[in-house]
Amino acid sequence: SYELTQPPSVSVSPGQTARISCSGDALTKQYAYWYQQKPGQAPVMVIHKDNERPSWIPERFSGSSSGTTVALTISGVQAEDEADYYCQSSDSSGSWVFGGGTKLTVL
Amino acid sequence: EVQLVESGGGLVKPGGSLRLSCAASGFTFSDAWMSWVRQAPGKGLEWVGRIKSKAQGGTTDYAAPVKGRFTISRDDSKNTLYLQMNSLKTEDTALYYCMSGFWGQGTMVTVSS
Repeated sequence: SYELTQPPSVSVSPGQTARISCSGDALTKQYAYWYQQKPGQAPVMVIHKDNERPSWIPERFSGSSSGTTVALTISGVQAEDEADYYCQSSDSSGSWVFGGGTKLTVL
Repeated sequence: EVQLVESGGGLVKPGGSLRLSCAASGFTFSDAWMSWVRQAPGKGLEWVGRIKSKAQGGTTDYAAPVKGRFTISRDDSKNTLYLQMNSLKTEDTALYYCMSGFWGQGTMVTVSS
């Protein structure tokens, strides 16, 4: 079955840049989406269609794509950005798949 | 304001059935593709399935673990999405979210004897 691979954890100090990667073969043909989930809360979409940011999401969040890897970049990380982040895409049949999630720790 | 409110969760024995509902407001529900996503306690997100808008055929797709046991349907006149879950297993225990870009707060399903 199709898989998306994320690092389990990323740590960064406040004000620095965090980059969370997500790898999968179908990412060359399918869009990627990123969701932020804080403890006890429902996920929130922060990036859609690889690099589009909803208007209510801070500008410090951005997405990029290169080959079989997509990335979520948070510039000038703030303490409130500490959360789990999930990438999501589709396989060739249109079924969704989520990455395993990355825990972002702000030191 | 977009709102998705799930309901219908609870405790059920293995082999039992449950129907979840998701009441939608704040957007044109009939135009939306709707999905169910679940999250087992302490685990990551898992896609359950999706239903397209009626204008695009209203067809459904399911993840392999639930195919043949779960059925997604919609009532556009009531702006409501449903998830009928049959032959429930302990591994179906999770918080079930409905979503379409935006997410509801989820409803908890516990399968235990």
